[in-house]
Amino acid sequence: DQQVKQNSPSLSVQEGRISILNCDYTNSMFDYFLWYKKYPAEGPTFLISISSIKDKNEDGRFTVFLNKSAKHLSLHIVPSQPGDSAVYFCAASGITSYDKVIFGPGTSLSVIP
Amino acid sequence: DTEVTQTPKHLVMGMTNKKSLKCEQHMGHRAMYWYKQKAKKPPELMFVYSYEKLSINESVPSRFSPECPNSSLLNLHLHALQPEDSALYLCASSQDAGRGTDTQYFGPGTRLTVL
Repeated sequence: DQQVKQNSPSLSVQEGRISILNCDYTNSMFDYFLWYKKYPAEGPTFLISISSIKDKNEDGRFTVFLNKSAKHLSLHIVPSQPGDSAVYFCAASGITSYDKVIFGPGTSLSVIP
Repeated sequence: DTEVTQTPKHLVMGMTNKKSLKCEQHMGHRAMYWYKQKAKKPPELMFVYSYEKLSINESVPSRFSPECPNSSLLNLHLHALQPEDSALYLCASSQDAGRGTDTQYFGPGTRLTVL
């Protein structure tokens, strides 16, 4: 059973517009969430994170929103750029010892020039 | 230096071969990880080393054998692999494995093909 879900396997967005990537989780023990970006033939790169005490975290063009009651988070990229085209993994963990990070299946984002 | 390096980048091996994957980081991180990623799937955790001790073994087959010679190095020894073991093997490190909030930094991966 997938504990972290990304229901859109792919997303296409026009350059300059907003990209919204969604993630849902089932385990209420998760209280720390991360987004990773992965280009082909490279390892995942950490993008942004949020802990459950916050509902929003912003870093430049990237903003993550967390809705704990809905067990839902989203990553907003504004404005989208062609270099943002990559696979985006949502990941979750708990703040207790040795909790491992659980990755979602990923969403492939294509930003069209 | 926020880099995790992995060698080799690509590896092709037969089912009777013995090979090793290597991972190195110089960020002073005390936790290192091996992940396996199949095409179009998320990374799956295989092993965690925290302070050079194996702290989680995900019941990975014994044909995969991790080794942590020191806090900067992590090896994955491969022996008698199967074709279904072909995948991208990712190494990662974090400041500590005891807290889920520690960001993991990933290496570029080794693309392994088992013939």
